[in-house]
Amino acid sequence: KAGVTQTPRYLIKTRGQQVTLSCSPISGHRSVSWYQQTPGQGLQFLFEYFSETQRNKGNFPGRFSGRQFSNSRSEMNVSTLELGDSALYLCASSPNPTSSEKLFFGSGTQLSVL
Amino acid sequence: DQQVKQNSPSLSVQEGRISILNCDYTNSMFDYFLWYKKYPAEGPTFLISISSIKDKNEDGRFTVFLNKSAKHLSLHIVPSQPGDSAVYFCAASGAGTASKLTFGTGTRLQVTL
Repeated sequence: KAGVTQTPRYLIKTRGQQVTLSCSPISGHRSVSWYQQTPGQGLQFLFEYFSETQRNKGNFPGRFSGRQFSNSRSEMNVSTLELGDSALYLCASSPNPTSSEKLFFGSGTQLSVL
Repeated sequence: DQQVKQNSPSLSVQEGRISILNCDYTNSMFDYFLWYKKYPAEGPTFLISISSIKDKNEDGRFTVFLNKSAKHLSLHIVPSQPGDSAVYFCAASGAGTASKLTFGTGTRLQVTL
């Protein structure tokens, strides 16, 4: 069974631009969540989607948004990029929102904002 | 406001000895705790978990202890192996928010020969 796939693997953008990251969950998984990892901050929860609906949202500005499609694939978008948005963005999928143990992470998209 | 804290950024242990990684939390609404292991350029992988109704959970070489009154949990690895060298993250979730994990900042474990 294929794991969580995130594309692209690396991305370089400049301040003010916008970016879209993609996540394909494990087949059969309907819950997708996104996390941001920056040096010294650990992993911070961005948002979670289940059945195309956002269930939970972390403490991030409105520049960060996401969506989920009917096939459970998810995208996150960051508009008006700032230098501080440089981070590893991780997507995780699970069969449903109630199974923490079955949260499988992708390898992430490394975003650099110049 | 760091609700989950791992105060030791790094730990070095000899092969065969015990590794003890610590984690403290402040939010009393957390009822489920997990440990994840992360290698460079990979996503975190689930290691072991514990519910707030328990104080200990074992899985092979890994044991997690939970002290609710102290809001403290620890991960014991016995015996430590070189392949255990990685960054370990403590994470917590509350009722009904299993996918919304609050992570600590991680502890880098180095197991030396």
